[in-house]
Amino acid sequence: EPEVTQTPSHQVTQMGQEVILRCVPISNHLYFYWYRQILGQKVEFLVSFYNNEISEKSEIFDDQFSVERPDGSNFTLKIRSTKLEDSAMYFCASLPELLTGELFFGEGSRLTVL
Amino acid sequence: KQEVTQIPAALSVPEGENLVLNCSFTDSAIYNLQWFRQDPGKGLTSLLLIQSSQREQTSGRLNASLDKSSGRSTLYIAASQPGDSATYLCAVTSGTYKYIFGTGTRLKVLA
Repeated sequence: EPEVTQTPSHQVTQMGQEVILRCVPISNHLYFYWYRQILGQKVEFLVSFYNNEISEKSEIFDDQFSVERPDGSNFTLKIRSTKLEDSAMYFCASLPELLTGELFFGEGSRLTVL
Repeated sequence: KQEVTQIPAALSVPEGENLVLNCSFTDSAIYNLQWFRQDPGKGLTSLLLIQSSQREQTSGRLNASLDKSSGRSTLYIAASQPGDSATYLCAVTSGTYKYIFGTGTRLKVLA
């Protein structure tokens, strides 16, 4: 069964460092997402990406965050200068079509900022 | 602004019991509602997707219903098993690009 894959599974970084989280969405999906979940809290929307551009972003997704689809398969989330409060599980998700599709998630990348 | 609430926040039941998890949303103009399962430290596994024109979906021991007008969905789990222990999340989309998630129900099924 096709799946969304994410790397790394866990990354530890120092405050102020740049981090890139990588995702390979399901191959025929068109819409791509990043969500995050701070420990013990709800899953929060960060950004959606369609047709090689951001289609929607939340208030959390400030100038420190960026997304890119550098080739036909990878989808990346970059955090330019990490803060302690960026520590969370980051989930990538993909959707085949907007109105009727089923959202599929990866296993997540746990980011720990020290 | 769409808000999604799930009740109860936690539930502990003996094995074999049938149970109902509740999800409510404030804006009834939704397109889809999806139920997910999350095991500790893991990703979200899709359980059931209910599109706006549908009233329920079934998969094995799971049945999800949707009442858009009242802003509610229920997930029914029949004959619960210890392997069903997990956090169950509902999420809705209102035709924008994002899904909004509820706070989740943490289920523990005791052997």
